[in-house]
Amino acid sequence: ETGVTQTPRHLVMGMTNKKSLKCEQHLGHNAMYWYKQSAKKPLELMFVYNFKEQTENNSVPSRFSPECPNSSHLFLHLHTLQPEDSALYLCASSQAAAGLAGHQETQYFGPGTRLLVL
Amino acid sequence: GQQLNQSPQSMFIQEGEDVSMNCTSSSIFNTWLWYKQDPGEGPVLLIALYKAGELTSNGRLTAQFGITRKDSFLNISASIPSDVGIYFCAGRTSGDDKIIFGKGTRLHILP
Repeated sequence: ETGVTQTPRHLVMGMTNKKSLKCEQHLGHNAMYWYKQSAKKPLELMFVYNFKEQTENNSVPSRFSPECPNSSHLFLHLHTLQPEDSALYLCASSQAAAGLAGHQETQYFGPGTRLLVL
Repeated sequence: GQQLNQSPQSMFIQEGEDVSMNCTSSSIFNTWLWYKQDPGEGPVLLIALYKAGELTSNGRLTAQFGITRKDSFLNISASIPSDVGIYFCAGRTSGDDKIIFGKGTRLHILP
């Protein structure tokens, strides 16, 4: 398997459910990202992890909880979501630039998880 | 926050025509990226530009990093049906080194 993979590709959940999105990268990168893509809006960066440490949280509601157990895997745990959270959730990875906090290298994306919250 | 203005929002062209789209910003960027997104998939990197004035090609695609460092364009020559999709520009800001994305240009090819 190469590149960035995401599972599941589609998810339908109720507002009281708990689910998790999974991302795995096979590129040897050390930085991973979660983005939200809604119709007619730019990609919204949610979280950034560098060498397994969270370096950015763009004011994301606590009903989204990321986890990065190692540089190759990234999870997004979901609970008590709202219908407006329905979107395409994209994972990306990049090389991490050592010694330059916040510097973001060119990112490579997974296929996304299409989430529908009922 | 900083924004990228990407235009046009959508384009309808005939197969075989050339296509041009661009991104502009009020801020200086040190990297410009162009991605294509097919329906149901994530964005795929097409071209990356790292120097002002840089002109880079990838097959029928050509992109340039504007000399003012505040804009970039993407050209597609002799369009074919598989060029349909959404094209995103992205730039890394000089100030805080963050990557931000444009809203995309949706390309339609008429039969």
